[in-house]
Amino acid sequence: AQSVTQPDARVTVSEGASLQLRCKYSYFGTPYLFWYVQYPRQGLQLLLKYYPGDPVVQGVNGFEAEFSKSNSSFHLRKASVHWSDWAVYFCAVIKVSGSFNKLTFGAGTRLAVCP
Amino acid sequence: AQTIHQWPVAEIKAVGSPLSLGCTIKGKSSPNLYWYWQATGGTLQQLFYSITVGQVESVVQLNLSASRPKDDQFILSTEKLLLSHSGFYLCAWSLWDNNQAPLFGEGTRLSVL
Repeated sequence: AQSVTQPDARVTVSEGASLQLRCKYSYFGTPYLFWYVQYPRQGLQLLLKYYPGDPVVQGVNGFEAEFSKSNSSFHLRKASVHWSDWAVYFCAVIKVSGSFNKLTFGAGTRLAVCP
Repeated sequence: AQTIHQWPVAEIKAVGSPLSLGCTIKGKSSPNLYWYWQATGGTLQQLFYSITVGQVESVVQLNLSASRPKDDQFILSTEKLLLSHSGFYLCAWSLWDNNQAPLFGEGTRLSVL
């Protein structure tokens, strides 16, 4: 069965600093991977998606992620963090079996931004 | 443009009472539909998935059921709420062609007392 591990429950960075949020996946075959963001008391918003191809994918608000098959990773990065990035970030992998889709999430990483 | 609407925004219910949560997708025909549950501060757990009207697959039931009475509507319900049903319920949709990223609604916050 597929799984996603986000090893860092909480990350704190200073505003303007760079950011990396880690994601490791377990999946048999070629994975389709996503990063979502959840602001307080809101639903999830899609940040970016990886479909087989270029390993570096660009998302919204300056986020990007790099897929590595050898490391089974899909880390999220941002060059300069803004206070509005304070949120919970979820990595996810989708498995399609016939007419059934299952989207599996990691536990999430809470990002705090210091002034 | 497609929109996803969940109702109600929030509910406070008593243990043992019934529940019905709804989700409507406009602007997209034959979407794949999902129900997710999130415990407070927790990760997201897929409950149900539907590819078409009248067809619902259960992932984790948690004493809940789901139905898809119309192409654009997904309903989550139970006849008897438990304390453990408290949390945040999210509906999502994706395009009919698989592997597309599901897009989420704003959610319904449920408190069971």
